[in-house]
Amino acid sequence: AIQMTQSPSSLSASVGDRVTITCRASQDIRNDLGWYQQKPGKAPKLLIYVASSLQSGVPSRFSGRRSGTDFTLTISSLQPEDFATYYCLQDYDYPLTFGGGTKVEIK
Amino acid sequence: QLQLQESGPGLVKPSETLSLTCTVSGGSISSSSYHWGWIRQPPGKGLEWIANIYYSGSTYYNPSLKSRVTISVDTSKNQFSLKLSSVTATDTAVYYCARRGLRPERFDLWGRGTLVTVSS
Repeated sequence: AIQMTQSPSSLSASVGDRVTITCRASQDIRNDLGWYQQKPGKAPKLLIYVASSLQSGVPSRFSGRRSGTDFTLTISSLQPEDFATYYCLQDYDYPLTFGGGTKVEIK
Repeated sequence: QLQLQESGPGLVKPSETLSLTCTVSGGSISSSSYHWGWIRQPPGKGLEWIANIYYSGSTYYNPSLKSRVTISVDTSKNQFSLKLSSVTATDTAVYYCARRGLRPERFDLWGRGTLVTVSS
């Protein structure tokens, strides 16, 4: 199975900060990666698919990028509603595998 | 607007079979553009993909659970279901059903999730 190593596992940031989260795949997965946001007690929500495509309705402060087997999710200016846990998911091959998650907390 | 809703017992005894159903409303499960899947999340932990199914019945399973899992679809009821046999406390989790868009692949719509506790 393809392993997704996500870092950091948590971070503290302030409103307005630029935040970057990384997922590294254990092998080439092309652009087949999505990013999801999850708030406490809620289902995950799709933010980004195929590495850099913004899901409809998601604010443009969210962006995704690929460099080889490394993928980044960037929030350009953190807003109060962005404090949540973020997961990557590789869509390249079965079994589908998630990263371990990154909890973004208020500093 | 299409919605997904999980249903099933919230408490299952160890060694028994967990059974959940996801009802799709506001749209058809028989679309060639989607798979339908189950994902779970133990309390305080991360997400784990369980299985996907196509309306035609094609299935995809997580090998870590494959020997205990069955996913099925009932197009007449616009539902798909999950059965997980021989459950233990480690199967306690919130179970989500979700729609998976194809080409490109992504889980673009999720149910609210249902907590299933395995306990005697």
